[in-house]
Amino acid sequence: AQSVTQLDSQVPVFEEAPVELRCNYSSSVSVYLFWYVQYPNQGLQLLLKYLSGSTLVKGINGFEAEFNKSQTSFHLRKPSVHISDTAEYFCAVYTNAGKSTFGDGTTLTVKP
Amino acid sequence: SAVISQKPSRDICQRGTSLTIQCQVDSQVTMMFWYRQQPGQSLTLIATANQGSEATYESGFVIDKFPISRPNLTFSTLTVSNMSPEDSSIYLCSGDRGNEQFFGPGTRLTVL
Repeated sequence: AQSVTQLDSQVPVFEEAPVELRCNYSSSVSVYLFWYVQYPNQGLQLLLKYLSGSTLVKGINGFEAEFNKSQTSFHLRKPSVHISDTAEYFCAVYTNAGKSTFGDGTTLTVKP
Repeated sequence: SAVISQKPSRDICQRGTSLTIQCQVDSQVTMMFWYRQQPGQSLTLIATANQGSEATYESGFVIDKFPISRPNLTFSTLTVSNMSPEDSSIYLCSGDRGNEQFFGPGTRLTVL
């Protein structure tokens, strides 16, 4: 079985400041790691994914994440956020069984 | 990637009635899944839709309440039966292809 813990339920930040959304996972098998974003009243959009190779993964909208196997973490970062980044962010692990397990989500609120 | 569409996109229903949600993928996927996202919460897997056989349900979900069909590799339906206000949620369909899941835009259901 696998689990995902998003360490911060809410992250308020001022515009143009850097942000990090933290995600830890546990699994007894190899996993793939994903970050999704959900804007208000919209569906899930894939931000980025780690499948293999380089542990630093770059995604859309200037986001990046680093896979750390020893710490079982996959934290999401952006050096300078915009008002439009205000949304719910979900970390997820995916196994060869085809299922995704999601964290509880982090609400990012960017203030002017 | 795969493009997934769902119908209806939203609906308002009376308690005691049933609603069938359709999910169409634009190309073949290995597996299809149904998730529920209750207001302000993360995604919870309801079941895996198996082609030509009964769906595999997660703990807490039963076939009588959420009957699922998957007649072919690109189409599935989820029925929410005998609805109550507690069933008000977003229902998302997803498809798996190898090492990634793709999500539909969701069906926003409100039960009065």
